[in-house]
Amino acid sequence: DVKVTQSSRYLVKRTGEKVFLECVQDMDHENMFWYRQDPGLGLRLIYFSYDVKMKEKGDIPEGYSVSREKKERFSLILESASTNQTSMYLCASSLSANQLGQYFGPGTRLTVT
Amino acid sequence: AQSVTQPDIHITVSEGASLELRCNYSYGATPYLFWYVQSPGQGLQLLLKYFSGDTLVQGIKGFEAEFKRSQSSFNLRKPSVHWSDAAEYFCAVGHSNFNKFYFGSGTKLNVKP
Repeated sequence: DVKVTQSSRYLVKRTGEKVFLECVQDMDHENMFWYRQDPGLGLRLIYFSYDVKMKEKGDIPEGYSVSREKKERFSLILESASTNQTSMYLCASSLSANQLGQYFGPGTRLTVT
Repeated sequence: AQSVTQPDIHITVSEGASLELRCNYSYGATPYLFWYVQSPGQGLQLLLKYFSGDTLVQGIKGFEAEFKRSQSSFNLRKPSVHWSDAAEYFCAVGHSNFNKFYFGSGTKLNVKP
């Protein structure tokens, strides 16, 4: 079974802090994704990466950056956390051809106070 | 542009009753189609997928879905719902020509005893 793990299930940070969310997958998937999920808005794509050191902006990249130094690890960075970034963050991975779908981590519930 | 529509935001069914969750997509070619389930506070779990072949696909937990090209639909069904099926269900579209996946806004399923 594919396993996607996220570094924290719950995280509380203060406004202005730099926040790192880590995601690791163990199935050698080329693609990795970061979404945020908010009530009534569904899943919104922040960034995705199709290869090491490659990244593309999703639908809501503002206020976020990403890093993919190794194939199995994809990090989401909030440079200066704000209260409107309080959300559930979901990481996912997939094979390059996508036909098998995405595999999701358990999510990180981030609260910015 | 690709899009996925789940017209029902909430559905309530009685335990033991049949279930159908609707999903319509907009895409020019045959897409890859997926259904995911999300229990409260958890990540998304893949229920089933379609990318070619038989248009009726079987998934985990007794779910099935049927791809109807003429209706651009991929509805999820279960003949007899269990209380443990209460969750939020997401339909998604992907394709080998692009790395993104497109998600519907989700349908929350409530199961009455």
